Amino acid sequence: GDSVTQMEGPVTLSEEAFLTINCTYTATGYPSLFWYVQYPGEGLQLLLKATKADDKGSNKGFEATYRKETTSFHLEKGSVQVSDSAVYFCALSPYGGSQGNLIFGKGTKLSVKP
Amino acid sequence: KAGVTQTPRYLIKTRGQQVTLSCSPISGHRSVSWYQQTPGQGLQFLFEYFSETQRNKGNFPGRFSGRQFSNSRSEMNVSTLELGDSALYLCASREETFSGNTIYFGEGSWLTVV
Repeated sequence: GDSVTQMEGPVTLSEEAFLTINCTYTATGYPSLFWYVQYPGEGLQLLLKATKADDKGSNKGFEATYRKETTSFHLEKGSVQVSDSAVYFCALSPYGGSQGNLIFGKGTKLSVKP
Repeated sequence: KAGVTQTPRYLIKTRGQQVTLSCSPISGHRSVSWYQQTPGQGLQFLFEYFSETQRNKGNFPGRFSGRQFSNSRSEMNVSTLELGDSALYLCASREETFSGNTIYFGEGSWLTVV
């Protein structure tokens, strides 16, 4: 079945460091791909999305490109801030998101130190 | 536009009891889905409702049920609670656009079973 694998955390970075969180997926159809962020004690917030191959999603300085050839959707940010400390989830929606079920990776906890 | 609203935010129940959680989707969204988040299992899809019909279901026992009303509001019910049902329950609503579908989450309901 469809699945998402993302790098294990926790990841600890200094402020202004470069961030990469790896995400790869397995899917039989044409999924949409998402990154969600969860701050302590809160629900999930959509960070960015991409719906087809070579699409680049971006938001708040974060970027991810949908790479069909490597089945990847790695999250990057050029300069992290303390406020970026959170858990990041990569997810896919089978069949381009035509149904409401998302398949999530296990999450990567990011801690940014001043 | 108001986001996905879940009530109650926190609740404590005793083993064997039942619980009902409520979710109001974003105005205009017809699809509501539910997820369970635990430290051990991560984020798992429970079920999705669309126009009052269950359209998709995850791998959970029959103690977990849901319904959707004509105004798209949804409830989920867990009967005969077990300690392992302690979790964050997240509701999500789906936006359908020509560029693809996006799923937005509420803040969640924290359930503790004692």
